[in-house]
Amino acid sequence: EADIYQTPRYLVIGTGKKITLECSQTMGHDKMYWYQQDPGMELHLIHYSYGVNSTEKGDLSSESTVSRIRTEHFPLTLESARPSHTSQYLCASSDLGSRRNEQFFGPGTRLTVL
Amino acid sequence: AQSVTQLDSHVSVSEGTPVLLRCNYSSSYSPSLFWYVQHPNKGLQLLLKYTSAATLVKGINGFEAEFKKSETSFHLTKPSAHMSDAAEYFCVVGDVRGDKIIFGKGTRLHILP
Repeated sequence: EADIYQTPRYLVIGTGKKITLECSQTMGHDKMYWYQQDPGMELHLIHYSYGVNSTEKGDLSSESTVSRIRTEHFPLTLESARPSHTSQYLCASSDLGSRRNEQFFGPGTRLTVL
Repeated sequence: AQSVTQLDSHVSVSEGTPVLLRCNYSSSYSPSLFWYVQHPNKGLQLLLKYTSAATLVKGINGFEAEFKKSETSFHLTKPSAHMSDAAEYFCVVGDVRGDKIIFGKGTRLHILP
């Protein structure tokens, strides 16, 4: 079944730890995105990718980095987590051939940094 | 530049009564517009989308929205609210290149028994 998967769903970690949030999709989509959402707030785009070896920074500055080595996989990494990184992170994908912007979202990872 | 404004941060309605969630957009071209719903601790689910076809768009779970160019609005409605509709709703506009979408701040819908 075509879907978008994010792991872990919840993560509580101490300051200074390196973490990687996983995102995989079986939609066959080329474009993938990472959004950050603070509680009760709108989503802000932090990274996106047009395809393999393509990564772009989004509208909201983020200390995280991303990579796109495989079409279906778009992990997000924080080298040294801080309490200010506490948030929900949502991954999405869309069809490169679509000019109508529709994106499909994963269930999200809720990150808490102590 | 494109932008979207959701006019109410919270809306409360009684179960069985109509729902109206208001959204205004700003765009220099014919936009693509979406409504997404987010239930607690869940990801976003697409309710409906407008992509320059019919101005009245029907979505899932009985929701619909009407694109009104003269009013630059894309309000979300439902004739009869159900308890399961309680969630956060986001109005979204797509950018001209099709690369990105821009989210409104969201409207939290509360359903009163």
